[in-house]
Amino acid sequence: AQKVTQAQTEISVVEKEDVTLDCVYETRDTTYYLFWYKQPPSGELVFLIRRNSFDEQNEISGRYSWNFQKSTSSFNFTITASQVVDSAVYFCALSDTQGGSEKLVFGKGTKLTVNP
Amino acid sequence: NAGVTQTPKFRILKIGQSMTLQCTQDMNHNYMYWYRQDPGMGLKLIYYSVGAGITDKGEVPNGYNVSRSTTEDFPLRLELAAPSQTSVYFCASSYLGQPQHFGDGTRLSIL
Repeated sequence: AQKVTQAQTEISVVEKEDVTLDCVYETRDTTYYLFWYKQPPSGELVFLIRRNSFDEQNEISGRYSWNFQKSTSSFNFTITASQVVDSAVYFCALSDTQGGSEKLVFGKGTKLTVNP
Repeated sequence: NAGVTQTPKFRILKIGQSMTLQCTQDMNHNYMYWYRQDPGMGLKLIYYSVGAGITDKGEVPNGYNVSRSTTEDFPLRLELAAPSQTSVYFCASSYLGQPQHFGDGTRLSIL
């Protein structure tokens, strides 16, 4: 069965620090997708990235970067020069494509607090 | 730019009552999903649909029912509300191969 583990329950940093959020996944599928979502205090879910299992290139988007390593089944997320607005719960998710859809299996989330 | 719209945003129910959580999307997405999020936890899939007239169970379907009579609407029904169903409910939609778009959620308390 699909499983996503986010071992860090809560992280607290001071503004401008770099922070890495860990994500480890388990799947028997050869083709799958990995995702990161952000849930700010207001409660909505904001899509950040979707990564195909065949594409192990690292991705950078502004202050955000993602490191995908199939050898260790990890898809870690780094925020460079963190800001107070980055404070949120971040979820890693894995697609389950059985049944012809792309259902998501979520980790429990990591609560990031960025202090001024 | 409505996207995925969920109603109501908040609701308090008594044990044993029933209610329907509404979800509508205006993006013509084939796929729709219902998730629940318990405090301190990630989202868990309740039901999903790959198109009008087709629904299937997710990880935690007990106590819920769904229907999909149109592409736009995917209501979630609670028949006999129980305290264990206190949660935040999210509806999502997508095309296959594209990220899911989530609604803003419905916060449901059962007392």
